[in-house]
Amino acid sequence: EVQLVESGGGLVQPGGSLRLSCAASGFTFSSYWMSWVRQAPGKGLEWVANIKQDGSEKYYVDSVKGRFTISRDNAKNSLYLQMNSLRAEDTAVYYCARRLGRGVRAPFDYWGQGTLVTVSS
Amino acid sequence: AIRMTQSPSSLSASTGDRVTITCRASQGISSYLAWYQQKPGKAPKLLIYAASTLQSGVPSRFSGSGSGTDFTLTISCLQSEDFATYYCQQYYSYPRSFGQGTKLEIK
Repeated sequence: EVQLVESGGGLVQPGGSLRLSCAASGFTFSSYWMSWVRQAPGKGLEWVANIKQDGSEKYYVDSVKGRFTISRDNAKNSLYLQMNSLRAEDTAVYYCARRLGRGVRAPFDYWGQGTLVTVSS
Repeated sequence: AIRMTQSPSSLSASTGDRVTITCRASQGISSYLAWYQQKPGKAPKLLIYAASTLQSGVPSRFSGSGSGTDFTLTISCLQSEDFATYYCQQYYSYPRSFGQGTKLEIK
């Protein structure tokens, strides 16, 4: 059974940093693109970042470029999101998601339960 | 960036009804369109991808159609468990983008 379990969320002050983790199991992690998607309270879904199977390609939404870094450790079956210079508008539930298949273009077929990040003083 | 616009933003319907949700892309995305269902406090669930391909395990009352810029999600006979929020998403180009959501409520 595919499982994605996020951790690392919490309350952080504006300008602070946080590192999210996603532990994957039930599939060959190193064979899939992985992603982070967020959802602000009461709002819609926003894609944040993608990373290729070997980490050689990474893509970000403009609003987080230069502040967030997506990475992975295939030996540990883990995905990460390092978030720096956090702003109030980064407050959201952050989901780890797997991309369907191994292609360049694919939707998200499995999602974690999400971890809440709150940026507030 | 490609903007995805869903209509309506909310919809009231009854069990057994047939409902249709529309999604429009600001530029052509071929068939790189997915639909998700989200219930309160839960992660989204993939229903349809490639505009019309049903994800494994999804009931056949869900169907999708369209290509280019205009897409639809149809639920042929609403069940109680279908009342949720639905999102479309394009995966044609970066940044990936979602529609604003359509909340399907019980009439």
